[in-house]
Amino acid sequence: DELLVASGGTLVQPGGSLRLSCEGSGFTFRMYWMHWVRQAPGKGLEWVANIYQRPIQPSYAESVRGRFTISRDDARNLLSLEMNSLRVDDTAVYFCARGKYNFGSSYLDSWGPGTQVTVSP
Amino acid sequence: DIQLTQSPSLLSASVGDRVTITCRASQGGDHYVAWYQQKPGKAPKLLIYDASTLQSDVPPRFSGSASGTEFTLTISSLQPEDFATYYCQESKNYLMTFGQGTRLQIK
Repeated sequence: DELLVASGGTLVQPGGSLRLSCEGSGFTFRMYWMHWVRQAPGKGLEWVANIYQRPIQPSYAESVRGRFTISRDDARNLLSLEMNSLRVDDTAVYFCARGKYNFGSSYLDSWGPGTQVTVSP
Repeated sequence: DIQLTQSPSLLSASVGDRVTITCRASQGGDHYVAWYQQKPGKAPKLLIYDASTLQSDVPPRFSGSASGTEFTLTISSLQPEDFATYYCQESKNYLMTFGQGTRLQIK
């Protein structure tokens, strides 16, 4: 079965940094787009970033561009999100998700359970 | 950037009811909308992609349709397990956008 497991979420102070990881299994990881999506407490879903293969560059939501960096290690089936200059409004559950892309159509067909990031003094 | 506006934000219905949730895109052109179901404390689950294609293992009481920039998710006969929050989603130029969500609650 396809499985995505995110880890690394914790309590961090404003201005701090954190690295999230997501390990995929049960599918050919390198063939898929991978995404991070977050959900602040009591709020809706917010897409954060995605990554595929070079030469396609990763894409970011405007709210995190310049502060967050998405990366992948296909040899280890690992997706990462490096988060810098964290703000209180970055507090959320962060989900990693597998994406499918086909001539403009892009959707997320498998999700991990999420990891909690709390940014607070 | 494309904006997706869902309506209603809150929907009260009973088991057996037929319900429809609408998602409107802010721009014209080609659209490929997906729909997700999320239950409290859980990750979202893909229901429909490309506006009307049912994801495998999703019951056929769920359906999707499109007309111009308006997209609808219909549940033909509500079951107890369908009470949840539903989100539409689209992607343009590799950037992804979600609607604000529709919470479906028991009347």
